[in-house]
Amino acid sequence: QKEVEQNSGPLSVPEGAIASLNCTYSDRGSQSFFWYRQYSGKSPELIMSIYSNGDKEDGRFTAQLNKASQYVSLLIRDSQPSDSATYLCAVTTSLQGAQKLVFGQGTRLTINP
Amino acid sequence: DVKVTQSSRYLVKRTGEKVFLECVQDMDHENMFWYRQDPGLGLRLIYFSYDVKMKEKGDIPEGYSVSREKKERFSLILESASTNQTSMYLCASRRDLGSPLHFGNGTRLTVT
Repeated sequence: QKEVEQNSGPLSVPEGAIASLNCTYSDRGSQSFFWYRQYSGKSPELIMSIYSNGDKEDGRFTAQLNKASQYVSLLIRDSQPSDSATYLCAVTTSLQGAQKLVFGQGTRLTINP
Repeated sequence: DVKVTQSSRYLVKRTGEKVFLECVQDMDHENMFWYRQDPGLGLRLIYFSYDVKMKEKGDIPEGYSVSREKKERFSLILESASTNQTSMYLCASRRDLGSPLHFGNGTRLTVT
């Protein structure tokens, strides 16, 4: 089982709709969770950090964390064509000894005008 | 805002050359990282450093070395560049273990 798993997509969403991106992780002891957005040819850009169970909202973005079920999700409301990018989930894990940040493979999101 | 600066945006080198990729961060972060990113393989950790003069191997250290002589600067060295090292190289830093990574703009390296 991969440490951090995401559906690679592509995920296609109409403009104005809600885009829902999901991520599961294997280390039950993980404490820090991050979502990054990466445009083609660019470096990853931090969108959200979440550390506690529940929802965290920032503008059109909402991160949701459920440690019992070991998943973290990102909702994008009122999706815009400029949201078209690859979204990376990253989780701090202590598997294999040293604590490290593990990235999922990313979900490619396309917003259709 | 955290600023992580990579010295080159694009680089073209020949097989066998020694290549230096430089990275500087301005937020006094303890931790610095080098990743490479390839289509279908995601982000892979090459080396990281938790302190000056300290380095740890990541998942794919073969063919690479690093140097951290000052806290703000972390260099990646390709001792003898090979074509399979053609990739996007990303430097990142973070304040501590629970903090997010902040990435530089990346260096797209082509080895011919």
